[in-house]
Amino acid sequence: QQQVKQSPQSLIVQKGGISIINCAYENTAFDYFPWYQQFPGKGPALLIAIRPDVSEKKEGRFTISFNKSAKQFSLHIMDSQPGDSATYFCAARDSNSGYALNFGKGTSLLVTP
Amino acid sequence: IAGITQAPTSQILAAGRRMTLRCTQDMRHNAMYWYRQDLGLGLRLIHYSNTAGTTGKGEVPDGYSVSRANTDDFPLTLASAVPSQTSVYFCASSDSGIGYTFGSGTRLTVV
Repeated sequence: QQQVKQSPQSLIVQKGGISIINCAYENTAFDYFPWYQQFPGKGPALLIAIRPDVSEKKEGRFTISFNKSAKQFSLHIMDSQPGDSATYFCAARDSNSGYALNFGKGTSLLVTP
Repeated sequence: IAGITQAPTSQILAAGRRMTLRCTQDMRHNAMYWYRQDLGLGLRLIHYSNTAGTTGKGEVPDGYSVSRANTDDFPLTLASAVPSQTSVYFCASSDSGIGYTFGSGTRLTVV
């Protein structure tokens, strides 16, 4: 019943490398696609978001790529740093359910020094 | 306060007991949500409310109830707790689907 599929489940990247996390969805009612970062013991915090009429959005070292026809979107973290080590969740907003966010299962990212 | 306040921060609860998790926001957001987070499953929507006086069911509503008497408060009640409700619960709010804010969570253990 998970409407947003996220991969990989875990990821280890060396400092300075590129971290890539992928998500896919089926529901065409989804109209907004945010990524959240979560550190242990904290709530999710918005990292970056994109709307389906845009194919790419970049904010600093973080880039979302969006493929509307394939119903896929991905997060790229450039020049990954140890401080980026966290759990990342993709999400999709459902305009038919009170604008609730549907989340992927999360990716645990570890950036090694 | 600024944002969302959840209480309690953590709780150990005996199975069969009733429990209400509190959530208060001060941003005047019209929409509020309750999620549970379990390892490997991400965040799953329990209930939501578009505006005061209305509520809706999410992906995993069984065993939970909510009310929205006013804009600021959105309590989540477990009528008779079971061990499978052991989880971390997050309350969130948004302004009609814009600017989602999450609380810090309530860690609930049902024994």
